[in-house]
Amino acid sequence: DADVTQTPRNRITKTGKRIMLECSQTKGHDRMYWYRQDPGLGLRLIYYSFDVKDINKGEISDGYSVSRQAQAKFSLSLESAIPNQTALYFCATSEGQGAQNTGELFFGEGSRLTVL
Amino acid sequence: AQSVTQPDIHITVSEGASLELRCNYSYGATPYLFWYVQSPGQGLQLLLKYFSGDTLVQGIKGFEAEFKRSQSSFNLRKPSVHWSDAAEYFCAVGDEDSNYQLIWGAGTKLIIKP
Repeated sequence: DADVTQTPRNRITKTGKRIMLECSQTKGHDRMYWYRQDPGLGLRLIYYSFDVKDINKGEISDGYSVSRQAQAKFSLSLESAIPNQTALYFCATSEGQGAQNTGELFFGEGSRLTVL
Repeated sequence: AQSVTQPDIHITVSEGASLELRCNYSYGATPYLFWYVQSPGQGLQLLLKYFSGDTLVQGIKGFEAEFKRSQSSFNLRKPSVHWSDAAEYFCAVGDEDSNYQLIWGAGTKLIIKP
């Protein structure tokens, strides 16, 4: 089984619908992240969480919200989806301590979201 | 503003040929540098990273990268590519001051000719 699991892997929805993407990890890492990938733009950070009580906005948090339900679970919600939120979404984790470990991200396989 | 540039959107090389993927950064602090690979339909995987010390770093799958501070570059190399290296490659930069939040390049898609 994958260390970082995202569900659903693919989703098609309509404008205005609420969507939740879920992420769970078995790596025991404290830090979890949600990224968005668009062709030609690389990855952009939406939200990140350093522990269950610590949630921070990334560079493109508008239109998104998150919930860290447990150390192992971090979900991303689109309260009212719009077409320009069509993208590939990645969850990632990293260890919390030590410069040598920080920055090494472990990614899920991605959730492809299409908003019509 | 901090930025990472991967000048080549696509690169095509023949199987067995050498490879160099370019990465340039604009960063105020001492950067930590990373290369990640994304195979089709997969998440990203760390290839290698540079924090300090020897400027030539070795990674997985036979890749290496060289940090050149004077050129603000961290180019990825492989002496002989295999068809399985076809993927998209991302350069990323972070530092302690940003709490290691990474800034990503746009990616370079590597196509392997048989």
